[in-house]
Amino acid sequence: DQQVKQNSPSLSVQEGRISILNCDYTNSMFDYFLWYKKYPAEGPTFLISISSIKDKNEDGRFTVFLNKSAKHLSLHIVPSQPGDSAVYFCAASSSGGTSYGKLTFGQGTILTVHP
Amino acid sequence: NAGVMQNPRHLVRRRGQEARLRCSPMKGHSHVYWYRQLPEEGLKFMVYLQKENIIDESGMPKERFSAEFPKEGPSILRIQQVVRGDSAAYFCASSPGQGLSNFGPGTRLTVT
Repeated sequence: DQQVKQNSPSLSVQEGRISILNCDYTNSMFDYFLWYKKYPAEGPTFLISISSIKDKNEDGRFTVFLNKSAKHLSLHIVPSQPGDSAVYFCAASSSGGTSYGKLTFGQGTILTVHP
Repeated sequence: NAGVMQNPRHLVRRRGQEARLRCSPMKGHSHVYWYRQLPEEGLKFMVYLQKENIIDESGMPKERFSAEFPKEGPSILRIQQVVRGDSAAYFCASSPGQGLSNFGPGTRLTVT
């Protein structure tokens, strides 16, 4: 049962353009969402997060949008840079109790930014 | 301030042997999470520990896998009688409490 899904295994964009990575979830108990970036042979690195009480969070070139009714979130990277090329994971958690900090990950999307 | 450390980074075991993976959390972090990433998949939660306590082991396989986080020393993920299907990257994450986790670089286990 895949509770967090990233349906695009890969995405290729031109440097300077916008990258949009998508993520869907099924568990209504999730109330905190995160994006991680991962390079080969390294651990995931936190990128940006959003709480379910918000619909948008921005940090520099990175913006995450959350549509609770559709159970969908997206990560926008503008402008994209070659150094952004990596695997991007969407993750979700539910706050409170022992589940906070326990993350459910999507399968990942390989982003390639061409110079 | 050193990040989360995992060792070994690469581990090769023959079928039937035991694998021990170590995780040293960041200084001041008392919460440790273990995740497994199979080839071509996302990370899957295995177990959540605090010092000397297993809080949530709902993602741990029922047999052959165990984890501990003693009062002193690193957290250990132990896999007994490894099989080829155990080949994966194992990631540890730590946090100071109910906050954002920092991930280690992972241990890549290969079972031959």
